[in-house]
Amino acid sequence: RKEVEQDPGPFNVPEGATVAFNCTYSNSASQSFFWYRQDCRKEPKLLMSVYSSGNEDGRFTAQLNRASQYISLLIRDSKLSDSATYLCVMTGRRALTFGSGTRLQVQP
Amino acid sequence: GAGVSQSPSNKVTEKGKDVELRCDPISGHTALYWYRQRLGQGLEFLIYFQGNSAPDKSGLPSDRFSAERTGESVSTLTIQRTQQEDSAVYLCASSPTPGTSGRAYTDTQYFGPGTRLTVL
Repeated sequence: RKEVEQDPGPFNVPEGATVAFNCTYSNSASQSFFWYRQDCRKEPKLLMSVYSSGNEDGRFTAQLNRASQYISLLIRDSKLSDSATYLCVMTGRRALTFGSGTRLQVQP
Repeated sequence: GAGVSQSPSNKVTEKGKDVELRCDPISGHTALYWYRQRLGQGLEFLIYFQGNSAPDKSGLPSDRFSAERTGESVSTLTIQRTQQEDSAVYLCASSPTPGTSGRAYTDTQYFGPGTRLTVL
């Protein structure tokens, strides 16, 4: 079983839609969790950290559920510019452990 | 300020040749990481440097892979006798501080643009 599992997508949604991604992880010792964004043929960039209490940054809301070992990312009022691959990331046995990513395509 | 830079941006080589990839981290960042990303896949950890500590090489896939870092500056990743399965984007990241509890991890890693390696 992979340490981090994500639905690869693609998620095709119209502009303005709300879309949610989940990510499950197997290492209960993971301490910190993040969502990174990766544009096509570009390097990953930190989108936001994820806390048990949940955190919000504008249109983005991230949530951590330690009991069920998953994290989520909610994007409201999606924009064309949100089209990218969203990587679920956490501290693991080796540096950061990255999921394979979920691809989002926002359509006009 | 300047971000993480990597060179070359693209490298095409023949099977069996050696290649050397370079990473210049953000000035002042003590931690440096190498990752590999195959097409359509997530990032695969390769090696981690933190200051003058012994590097964590646990992610290197074979003894054909090695990496060096000079102090807290430039790092080179060397792949000897390249194979077609080595084709991937090699990403370098740096971060300013180590994680807590002596762990190697840190919250934010700043990535370079990567080197796209193609082994023919």
